[in-house]
Amino acid sequence: EAQVTQNPRYLITVTGKKLTVTCSQNMNHEYMSWYRQDPGLGLRQIYYSMNVEVTDKGDVPEGYKVSRKEKRNFPLILESPSPNQTSLYFCASSLFGGVASTDTQYFGPGTRLTVL
Amino acid sequence: SQQGEEDPQALSIQEGENATMNCSYKTSINNLQWYRQNSGRGLVHLILIRSNEREKHSGRLRVTLDTSKKSSSLLITASRAADTASYFCATDAGPNNLFFGTGTRLTVIP
Repeated sequence: EAQVTQNPRYLITVTGKKLTVTCSQNMNHEYMSWYRQDPGLGLRQIYYSMNVEVTDKGDVPEGYKVSRKEKRNFPLILESPSPNQTSLYFCASSLFGGVASTDTQYFGPGTRLTVL
Repeated sequence: SQQGEEDPQALSIQEGENATMNCSYKTSINNLQWYRQNSGRGLVHLILIRSNEREKHSGRLRVTLDTSKKSSSLLITASRAADTASYFCATDAGPNNLFFGTGTRLTVIP
């Protein structure tokens, strides 16, 4: 089944404790992206990747890191989480990205992160 | 922000009625997409309309696009309780990414 998976689905952690949220897709998509969703703010893009070893900042990259060593995986790293990073996080992928892309983005089920 | 904005923020209707939600955006686009999100879950793509199209249909969905007004509307006809969800528009106004609006929360009352 074609899908985007994220782990963990729920995470409660404390300020400053490094964490990684994994994202994996099995559709051989080149484009992957991370979003955070907060009440009243909609989805905001954190980072995206056009292909392996190619990553770029989205709207709200501060406090996050990503890597794209393999096409299927795109982990999100919080080196020193803070309470303002408490949010619902979504990973998404599409066949290609880029200007005028008509590709559908496929979303993972979400990771609800709470930073105390 | 280049983010789109949906209107209304929340909409409550009876089953069988039509639901209309609107999206406005700020910059020129190549295409606009609508997504649906069930509570706390990932978004699911509904429909894409290109900038040179004015109207598009998919099942009970009808999307219109007015690039002169920088706005789009999503009409769901003969709504069902299962249509209860949040609906987002997304524009490709960025160089390599999508900008999502803040969403319309639709509640369909059985």
